[in-house]
Amino acid sequence: NAGVTQTPKFQVLKTGQSMTLQCAQDMNHNSMYWYRQDPGMGLRLIYYSASEGTTDKGEVPNGYNVSRLNKREFSLRLESAAPSQTSVYFCASILDRGYNEQFFGPGTRLTVL
Amino acid sequence: AQSVSQHNHHVILSEAASLELGCNYSYGGTVNLFWYVQYPGQHLQLLLKYFSGDPLVKGIKGFEAEFIKSKFSFNLRKPSVQWSDTAEYFCAVIMEYGNKLVFGAGTILRVKS
Repeated sequence: NAGVTQTPKFQVLKTGQSMTLQCAQDMNHNSMYWYRQDPGMGLRLIYYSASEGTTDKGEVPNGYNVSRLNKREFSLRLESAAPSQTSVYFCASILDRGYNEQFFGPGTRLTVL
Repeated sequence: AQSVSQHNHHVILSEAASLELGCNYSYGGTVNLFWYVQYPGQHLQLLLKYFSGDPLVKGIKGFEAEFIKSKFSFNLRKPSVQWSDTAEYFCAVIMEYGNKLVFGAGTILRVKS
């Protein structure tokens, strides 16, 4: 099993550009998550998908959109990137509610100039 | 809303010193608790978790944590740290049967050799 994979690993954008971060998991997990990690702020939830076909906002959804393409894949889109979106983005998945740990991908380091 | 507080943002210890990192959460119901570690340049890895049963939980690499329900705390301990424990440590909480993990801001541990 590859676990949770993310692409790309690094990306530099100019303000106003758009891009999509890809995430896939091969563990047949139901729920998937997108976080951003900023120094001194821990991980903050952007969006999550409790199951295929559903998505919900997390703590910091502004400026982002998501798509749960199928059970395996959950993408995060920045329509018009801003310097405030410079961060490290992590995707995670969990088998089901409550009694399971989240598995994290390796992260995408995004810089917006 | 749930929140997680980690008491120290930076901790510096010498090798062989004992470690205790504080974590408190605010939620009155049943919770599941986690400690994750992030080594420099890597993604988050699970150190240990508490779901139920013995409140003293042992994890990988000699770490342990104690859940004290009356204090809403889940402190991480290690009797003797090593240089290789240099990393950032995150406490996280999820409500029982919930699907959103809430993270603390993280504690950066530096171990001097």
